[in-house]
Amino acid sequence: DAGVTQSPTHLIKTRGQHVTLRCSPISGHKSVSWYQQVLGQGPQFIFQYYEKEERGRGNFPDRFSARQFPNYSSELNVNALLLGDSALYLCASSLDRTEAFFGQGTRLTVV
Amino acid sequence: GIQVEQSPPDLILQEGANSTLRCNFSDSVNNLQWFHQNPWGQLINLFYIPSGTKQNGRLSATTVATERYSLLYISSSQTTDSGVYFCAAPTNSGNTPLVFGKGTRLSVIA
Repeated sequence: DAGVTQSPTHLIKTRGQHVTLRCSPISGHKSVSWYQQVLGQGPQFIFQYYEKEERGRGNFPDRFSARQFPNYSSELNVNALLLGDSALYLCASSLDRTEAFFGQGTRLTVV
Repeated sequence: GIQVEQSPPDLILQEGANSTLRCNFSDSVNNLQWFHQNPWGQLINLFYIPSGTKQNGRLSATTVATERYSLLYISSSQTTDSGVYFCAAPTNSGNTPLVFGKGTRLSVIA
């Protein structure tokens, strides 16, 4: 079985641009969560979706948005990119409030 | 929300040595996970251990939920064990799937 897959793996964007990151969960998993990890820190929660509904939102500005599709895949969108948005973005999937499994991440660099 | 603290922040071991990593959490939990982050950034699941003890090869973990801590034991360490180890737990409200500690950076030297 395929694990959690994220695309792209690496991305370079310019300040002010928009970015879309994608995540496909493990087959059968209906919950997808997004995390941001900056260098030297643990991952920070951004969003969780379950059955296409937003279940939770972390302390991130409105420039960050997400959605989940009928096939349970998900997109994370970030508008008006800032240098500080440079980070590793991680997606996790789970059945519900159970063990979470992470993708390999998307490394975003904003220049 | 729940606070998760890990210790030590850094650890250097000689190959073959044993180690214990600690994770303290500020509230009761019904779910706790340990991860190993490899050099490429991927979080590898080690244990899903809300309570009790589990073992997987040279690694084992114990969570004492009533005392709000979990321990990860690494025996006969190998250079491939190097990396950052994270523990994570959800908030009780369930609105935050996982709150992570800052991690323990382990370096195993040959």
